Amino acid sequence: AQRVTQPEKLLSVFKGAPVELKCNYSYSGSPELFWYVQYSRQRLQLLLRHISRESIKGFTADLNKGETSFHLKKPFAQEEDSAMYYCALSTPGGSYIPTFGRGTSLIVHP
Amino acid sequence: GAVVSQHPSRVICKSGTSVKIECRSLDFQATTMFWYRQFPKQSLMLMATSNEGSKATYEQGVEKDKFLINHASLTLSTLTVTSAHPEDSSFYICSASGQGDPYEQYFGPGTRLTVT
Repeated sequence: AQRVTQPEKLLSVFKGAPVELKCNYSYSGSPELFWYVQYSRQRLQLLLRHISRESIKGFTADLNKGETSFHLKKPFAQEEDSAMYYCALSTPGGSYIPTFGRGTSLIVHP
Repeated sequence: GAVVSQHPSRVICKSGTSVKIECRSLDFQATTMFWYRQFPKQSLMLMATSNEGSKATYEQGVEKDKFLINHASLTLSTLTVTSAHPEDSSFYICSASGQGDPYEQYFGPGTRLTVT
């Protein structure tokens, strides 16, 4: 079975500080991994996926197959980054149905 | 980008009544639609997956007779909460994926259901 673990329910940092939101997964094959973001009163939206290897809004995430992790990082947090962040995993064997982590609430203080 | 709408955005109903929530893909054909339930400050719980023209596949623990899902066309799926009770009060979110990239999901804005 595939599973996504986000160990931190809440992450609180000050503006300008580095941010790392942790995500670990369990899946024996090669999954597709995603980070979704939900800003206050807005819909869930895709932030980035590992296959695209892009940096969106200053965020990056590297897939580490050895550690089965896909941590989301940003060197300098901004107040507008405050949101709920969800890590998700999807596989062809799972009919592309995503499995979501429980989410991490990021609060960036001024 | 692809847009998914939900209607209504907010609904209050009395216990025992039924409520229908619509999910539409506005500018693409959604071969698969997903229905989630989200509790405050918690993750999304997948309720069911529906493919156009076929019966929905429900997740374990989700009552199919209570949460009726119809995916009648490539742009519309509906979720009907039958005989609603206060414990059904929640935020219901749909998402859709198209024919191009099966991994890509587009989320609706959600529907806040309150059962009194």
